[in-house]
Amino acid sequence: AAGVIQSPRHLIKEKRETATLKCYPIPRHDTVYWYQQGPGQDPQFLISFYEKMQSDKGSIPDRFSAQQFSDYHSELNMSSLELGDSALYFCASSLGTGPGPYGYTFGSGTRLTVV
Amino acid sequence: DQQVKQNSPSLSVQEGRISILNCDYTNSMFDYFLWYKKYPAEGPTFLISISSIKDKNEDGRFTVFLNKSAKHLSLHIVPSQPGDSAVYFCAATGRGANSKLTFGKGITLSVRP
Repeated sequence: AAGVIQSPRHLIKEKRETATLKCYPIPRHDTVYWYQQGPGQDPQFLISFYEKMQSDKGSIPDRFSAQQFSDYHSELNMSSLELGDSALYFCASSLGTGPGPYGYTFGSGTRLTVV
Repeated sequence: DQQVKQNSPSLSVQEGRISILNCDYTNSMFDYFLWYKKYPAEGPTFLISISSIKDKNEDGRFTVFLNKSAKHLSLHIVPSQPGDSAVYFCAATGRGANSKLTFGKGITLSVRP
C-alpha cells in the first residue's frame, strides 16, 4: 500500500540558507500535518492543512511557511536557517476526520542538518 | 507544559516477559490516544489506539488500557520480543476533525534475548 512520501530524506544547508521539504500524502488523504523532532525531543506539531487550507498552527517559526497544493501534496519552506533548525521533520496524512478510525500515517521524515 | 507525560525514559525486559509502558496526560479535552513505535531515522509507526469511551483495546500482543479518572494509559506487550526494541511514543488528540497529535517524550524499550 502507498505510504506518505517525504523528500528529500536528508538535507544539509548552511546558516541563513533556505530549504524546501516536500510531503506526498497517502492517496485520498486530504489532511497533512508537519512535525519537528529535535535531537532527544518529542515530535512537536508545526502546522496542518485540510483541503488546501491551513487548519491548525503550532510552534512554527515565522521564518517557516507551508502550503498544500491542488494534488494535496504539501511543502514546508524554511528561510534564514539557523543551527537550531536541525531536526527530523515528519509529515503525516489523514482523511479529514482526523486520526481516529481513518488512521494517521507518518512519512519516514526528512533529516535537516544546518551547518 | 508537557500535556502528555512519559515519565520513564527507558525500560528493559527479558524476552518472553511482559513490557508495560506508562503514559499520563493532563488535558481533559483529549479523547483519543495512540501509541507509536519509532526506530532511529524512521517515521513513527502506528501501533494501537483507544477512544475515551473504552477502557481497553487489544490487538495481538499489544493491549492498551485507559483509566480516564486517573488520566493514565498503559501499553502492554506480551510476550515481548527482541524486535520490539524501539522508542515508543504515547500521543493524544482532542475532538473534531483535523486534530493534531500531542506527543509524550517517548520511552526506549530494550528487550533482552
